Amino acid sequence: DAMVIQNPRYQVTQFGKPVTLSCSQTLNHNVMYWYQQKSSQAPKLLFHYYDKDFNNEADTPDNFQSRRPNTSFCFLDIRSPGLGDAAMYLCATSKSGTQQETQYFGPGTRLLVL
Amino acid sequence: AQSVTQPDIHITVSEGASLELRCNYSYGATPYLFWYVQSPGQGLQLLLKYFSGDTLVQGIKGFEAEFKRSQSSFNLRKPSVHWSDAAEYFCAVGALNQGGKLIFGQGTELSVKP
Repeated sequence: DAMVIQNPRYQVTQFGKPVTLSCSQTLNHNVMYWYQQKSSQAPKLLFHYYDKDFNNEADTPDNFQSRRPNTSFCFLDIRSPGLGDAAMYLCATSKSGTQQETQYFGPGTRLLVL
Repeated sequence: AQSVTQPDIHITVSEGASLELRCNYSYGATPYLFWYVQSPGQGLQLLLKYFSGDTLVQGIKGFEAEFKRSQSSFNLRKPSVHWSDAAEYFCAVGALNQGGKLIFGQGTELSVKP
């Protein structure tokens, strides 16, 4: 089945220690998104890629970076995680990034910062 | 500014009872509206969406939603709730010219009593 896969499902890191979260998709979609969802809050878009074009949200901290080496994979790098970065990180895809398209979400990676 | 409001943070219904989850949006043009469901520890799954045509939209798992422009609402309904419907429900609007970005409401947590 075509899907969005996130690894790992749970990640524990130490304060200030860089961490990378992974997302892959078999849908062959052009657009990949990263959302941050803190406890009991709505998902909040951090950035997205349209093919290789990177689009950062204005309020995304510099501490968050992303890479998309090919169509299938996208990575979220947190350079120096703080306690406030503990959250669920959701990867999503859509075919063309238009307003009416469905986004397909992965199961998420829950990040714990010690 | 585009925004989505879900007035009810938490709702409890008895199994077999009907359900209505409220969603109000603020948007300058014809909105593209979505309802997603998130089970504990999981990603988001699309229930249904609206962007034109019939204002009553049918979705998966027996859910439906009605778009009412005059009330800026897109409420989600189900005639008979099952215990497996217990989850977090998010209403979202597709942001205009922002690469498919979704703006989510705060979510409504649904509990189902036996």
